[in-house]
Amino acid sequence: EAGVVQSPRYKIIEKKQPVAFWCNPISGHNTLYWYLQNLGQGPELLIRYENEEAVDDSQLPKDRFSAERLKGVDSTLKIQPAELGDSAVYLCASSLGRVNTQYFGPGTRLTVL
Amino acid sequence: GQNIDQPTEMTATEGAIVQINCTYQTSGFNGLFWYQQHAGEAPTFLSYNVLDGLEEKGRFSSFLSRSKGYSYLLLKELQMKDSASYLCAVSKAAGNKLTFGGGTRVLVKP
Repeated sequence: EAGVVQSPRYKIIEKKQPVAFWCNPISGHNTLYWYLQNLGQGPELLIRYENEEAVDDSQLPKDRFSAERLKGVDSTLKIQPAELGDSAVYLCASSLGRVNTQYFGPGTRLTVL
Repeated sequence: GQNIDQPTEMTATEGAIVQINCTYQTSGFNGLFWYQQHAGEAPTFLSYNVLDGLEEKGRFSSFLSRSKGYSYLLLKELQMKDSASYLCAVSKAAGNKLTFGGGTRVLVKP
């Protein structure tokens, strides 16, 4: 069974540019999460989807970050415009329902110059 | 809020045992997870404890005491490939929200 797929794996952009990350969860997993992980720290939740509905986006900086999961499967996380402090790894995870183990993708490492 | 504390770094010798402690303070506790994360890779699920006691899974065991807000991950017969960060994460009942500790980097030496 395929795991959580994310692309791109690495992205380097200049500040003020837009960037987008894509995630395909494990087949059948209806709950999807986006996390941010800074170097040497644990992941921090940005947003959680149940099917296509964003049910927890309290930690998402809405002035520059947006996310969507239009058909309840794939998801996209966007930053516009990017700032230097956005350099981090962006992890996607999925679970079967909202009370089960979360499985993570390999992440996208973003570097903002 | 939630406070989750775990040591930053530990070093152990191949073949030995290492115990990684995690203490937490939270309301609405719904279980504690341990994940392993190799550098540049995804966190991978190791264990889940929701009741007090010890869960054993091969060379890895995890313990939970809810009254003390305490868990540990025990790694036995250490191998070089066990060098990684180990993340403790607490789940709240509402929405399966995971809050992670900062991770413990374990270095296994020959």
